Amino acid sequence: QKEVEQNSGPLSVPEGAIASLNCTYSDRVSQSFFWYRQYSGKSPELIMSIYSNGDKEDGRFTAQLNKASQYVSLLIRDSQPSDSATYLCAVMRGNKLVFGAGTILRVKS
Amino acid sequence: GAVVSQHPSWVICKSGTSVKIECRSLDFQATTMFWYRQFPKQSLMLMATSNEGSKATYEQGVEKDKFLINHASLTLSTLTVTSAHPEDSSFYICSATGTASYEQYFGPGTRLTVT
Repeated sequence: QKEVEQNSGPLSVPEGAIASLNCTYSDRVSQSFFWYRQYSGKSPELIMSIYSNGDKEDGRFTAQLNKASQYVSLLIRDSQPSDSATYLCAVMRGNKLVFGAGTILRVKS
Repeated sequence: GAVVSQHPSWVICKSGTSVKIECRSLDFQATTMFWYRQFPKQSLMLMATSNEGSKATYEQGVEKDKFLINHASLTLSTLTVTSAHPEDSSFYICSATGTASYEQYFGPGTRLTVT
């Protein structure tokens, strides 16, 4: 079992819809979780961090964490073509980040 | 805030030569810097972790004599790829964390091509 698992996609959604990206992790003691966006040929960009159970909202983005289910998700409301990218889920282990393989999101206009 | 720069953004070198890549935190002091490598259509692979003034900690399978890391100050880390070969061609990305949070901020990356 991989430490951080994501569906590779691609996930295709129409413009204006809600995109839902999911991630599960195996280490029950993990406390810090991050979502990064990576455009093709570019480096990752931090979108959200979440440390407590529940929802955390920032603009069109909402991160959701459920530690009991070892599950973290990212919702993107009003998806735009510019949101098309690979979304990386990362879990902190010690002072290092363990990344999932990423989910490719395609927003079609 | 939390801006990390890398230089150069791309470099082409001949097989057998060495290449140095710089990573700087521009608006915060980076207690820890990380070096990653990413091959096309693959995820990030952590190469090493470095703290200012101490030796880098390399991940299993990464040759420390080939990938020299120096973290000379709280704002600068360098990665030197020694005796580069075509298989070292990749996208090298650094990241940094400060004292204020656990969040890692990434530099824009350096694309290395070894001919």
